[in-house]
Amino acid sequence: AQSVTQLDSHVSVSEGTPVLLRCNYSSSYSPSLFWYVQHPNKGLQLLLKYTSAATLVKGINGFEAEFKKSETSFHLTKPSAHMSDAAEYFCVVSDEYGNKLVFGAGTILRVKS
Amino acid sequence: DGGITQSPKYLFRKEGQNVTLSCEQNLNHDAMYWYRQDPGQGLRLIYYSQIVNDFQKGDIAEGYSVSREKKESFPLTVTSAQKNPTAFYLCASSTGSGSLETQYFGPGTRLLVL
Repeated sequence: AQSVTQLDSHVSVSEGTPVLLRCNYSSSYSPSLFWYVQHPNKGLQLLLKYTSAATLVKGINGFEAEFKKSETSFHLTKPSAHMSDAAEYFCVVSDEYGNKLVFGAGTILRVKS
Repeated sequence: DGGITQSPKYLFRKEGQNVTLSCEQNLNHDAMYWYRQDPGQGLRLIYYSQIVNDFQKGDIAEGYSVSREKKESFPLTVTSAQKNPTAFYLCASSTGSGSLETQYFGPGTRLLVL
């Protein structure tokens, strides 16, 4: 069965420094992978998705993620953090039938001024 | 504006009471979903519907029920059989149910037990 592991429950960075949120997945097929962001008490917004095209995926707000099959990873990065990036981030994989999404436990990103 | 609306924003349930959470979308999406979110656990799928008058159980359907009588509406009932209903409930929709489809989320309903 497919699963997602987000390696850090909390990440803290200073404004203007790089962001790295780590995600590893387990899947017996070629998955679709997503990153969603959730601001406090809000719904989720799609940041980016990987669907077997280019391995480096660019998303909104300057985020990008690289699909590495050999490492089963899909880490999310941003060159320079902004205060508005403070939120919870979810790494997500589709199930093998493409009907359902499987969510990681989430990583809370804190940005210090 | 197109989007997904959920109401109410906060809902209180008394012991033994059934409560219904509303989810409406005007995106003309075929598929709709209900998730439950608990701290530190990510989102878990309760029910989903790929088309009107049809729905399937997700991973944690026990104690919940749904209906899909109209394309734009997918209400979720939390029954008295759900012993731990306190959570944040999120509704989502997508154009279809395939893995390439982006799910769009509503703002959520927080359910609390009195």
